[in-house]
Amino acid sequence: EVQLVESGGGLVQPGGSLRLSCAASGFTFTSYWMSWVRQAPGKGLEWVANIKQDGSEIYYVDSVKGRFTISRDNAKNSLFLQMNILGAEDTALYYCARGGSYYQSFDNWGQGTLVTVSS
Amino acid sequence: EIVMTQSSASLSVSPGEKVTLSCRASQSVSINLAWYQQKPGQAPRLLIYGASTRATGVPARFSGSGSGTEFTLTISSLQSEDFAVYYCQQYHNWPPITFGQGTRVEIK
Repeated sequence: EVQLVESGGGLVQPGGSLRLSCAASGFTFTSYWMSWVRQAPGKGLEWVANIKQDGSEIYYVDSVKGRFTISRDNAKNSLFLQMNILGAEDTALYYCARGGSYYQSFDNWGQGTLVTVSS
Repeated sequence: EIVMTQSSASLSVSPGEKVTLSCRASQSVSINLAWYQQKPGQAPRLLIYGASTRATGVPARFSGSGSGTEFTLTISSLQSEDFAVYYCQQYHNWPPITFGQGTRVEIK
């Protein structure tokens, strides 16, 4: 069974940093693109970033470029999102999602970890 | 950036009725279009990918159609467990990968 378990969310002050983790199991992690998708309270889904199987390609939505860094540790079947210079607009539930080997539909999602940016 | 527009923010439907949800892309996405279902307090669930291919375990009452810029998700006979928010998503031209704003299907 595919499992994606996020952790690392919490309350952080504006301008602060947070590192999210996603532990993957039940599938061959190295065969899939992985993404972070977020959902602000009461709002829709927003793709944040993704990373290719070997980490050689990385992409971000414009609003987080220069502030967020996605990475993966294939030896530990883990995905990460380092978030710096956080603002209120980053408050959201952050989901780890499995993409395809090439196509970027998301067939498995974690339960999400909540990031709240507030003073 | 490809903008995805779902024509209705919400729909009120009676159980057993057929419902059709629409999604339009600002430019062609070929068939690189997915649909998701999200229930309150839950993560999204992939229903359809490639515009018309049902994901594993998705009931046959869900079907997707379309190509280019116009897409539909049809639920042939709405069940109680189908009341949820539905999102379309394009993965043809990215980054960014983009979602529609969602359509809430409510009980009439």
